[in-house]
Amino acid sequence: DTAVSQTPKYLVTQMGNDKSIKCEQNLGHDTMYWYKQDSKKFLKIMFSYNNKELIINETVPNRFSPKSPDKAHLNLHINSLELGDSAVYFCASSQSGGVGYGYTFGSGTRLTVV
Amino acid sequence: DAKTTQPTSMDCAEGRAANLPCNHSTISGNEYVYWYRQIHSQGPQYIIHGLKNNETNEMASLIITEDRKSSTLILPHATLRDTAVYYCIAGGVGGNNRKLIWGLGTSLAVNP
Repeated sequence: DTAVSQTPKYLVTQMGNDKSIKCEQNLGHDTMYWYKQDSKKFLKIMFSYNNKELIINETVPNRFSPKSPDKAHLNLHINSLELGDSAVYFCASSQSGGVGYGYTFGSGTRLTVV
Repeated sequence: DAKTTQPTSMDCAEGRAANLPCNHSTISGNEYVYWYRQIHSQGPQYIIHGLKNNETNEMASLIITEDRKSSTLILPHATLRDTAVYYCIAGGVGGNNRKLIWGLGTSLAVNP
């Protein structure tokens, strides 16, 4: 009955590889996000999708490509991984419009690039 | 979105109230104040939010000053499980919370 689930929880990979992180929410929310939390613990938004439409695309290298097949899923594909991509990536969802009740976050994917 | 300022760390005795302050002096009239917390190795968890009035839910109370330039999150009876980083965020104009800007928060340690 997990609300926002991400897989995998841990990902260790070599530089130059391509990897994907999957996210699913069962809350019926219409907006999903990807956040990156670096080693200094800053949480920064990367992308946001509303009903499968990209609405936020921050200054992120184009090696990162989000894909939303439906409003319950938002996956993150990363090409040509670099050492600096090592971080914890969080998926989140919310219901847009009306009073913001905030995000529901997944438990995170710890990506380590070696 | 408004920038917030929080103390880097705080301590609280178990069973006592934890009062976490936040300054958001540049908040605009239609921006909300949100509080989240992040327990070690977990995703951030929504706690509470407010616009002008004080708010209370099962987790905490939020006190917003009349000029809206600061707020305080109150955990009435802190437990060891409340040890976490607490983030105060101002933004989400009109309820659109798509691009909240996160700071480094306050690391709260609840001690036995």
